[in-house]
Amino acid sequence: EPEVTQTPSHQVTQMGQEVILRCVPISNHLYFYWYRQILGQKVEFLVSFYNNEISEKSEIFDDQFSVERPDGSNFTLKIRSTKLEDSAMYFCASSEVRLLIYNEQFFGPGTRLTVL
Amino acid sequence: GENVEQHPSTLSVQEGDSAVIKCTYSDSASNYFPWYKQELGKGPQLIIDIRSNVGEKKDQRIAVTLNKTAKHFSLHITETQPEDSAVYFCAASRITGRRALTFGSGTRLQVQP
Repeated sequence: EPEVTQTPSHQVTQMGQEVILRCVPISNHLYFYWYRQILGQKVEFLVSFYNNEISEKSEIFDDQFSVERPDGSNFTLKIRSTKLEDSAMYFCASSEVRLLIYNEQFFGPGTRLTVL
Repeated sequence: GENVEQHPSTLSVQEGDSAVIKCTYSDSASNYFPWYKQELGKGPQLIIDIRSNVGEKKDQRIAVTLNKTAKHFSLHITETQPEDSAVYFCAASRITGRRALTFGSGTRLQVQP
């Protein structure tokens, strides 16, 4: 069964450093998302991406964050200058584009980001 | 924006009993309501979803009901098994337009053997 994959599974970084989290969405999916989950809290939406541009973003997704689809398979989340409060589990998700009837989002296993 | 409330936060049942988790949402434009199961150290896994044009959907031991007027929806698990133990999240979104999922705070279900 096709699945979303994410690398690395765990990333430790120093405050102020840049990190790039990588995702490979399900191959025939065209809508991509990033969510985060701070330990013990609910999953929060960051950004969605479709047709090579950001479709929507939350207040969390400020200028420190960016997303990119550098090639036909990868989808990345970059945090330019990490802060302690960026420590969280980051989930990538993807969904098909069948307008009006479909919004099933399939999640990857996540990348645990620890900012020291 | 959308706000999803979920309760209870923890639920402990005996194996074989039923479990019910309830959610309410605030945005009347939301029309897609998925439920996710999250096991320790893993990503959320979609287990069932419902669209606003139906009131109930069932898949084996799992069912979801939706009351659009009251803006609430529920997950029902019958004949619970130890492997059902996990954290369950409800979510709400729209099928078109704003597709971002707004999640509830989660319910930790413990099925006692």
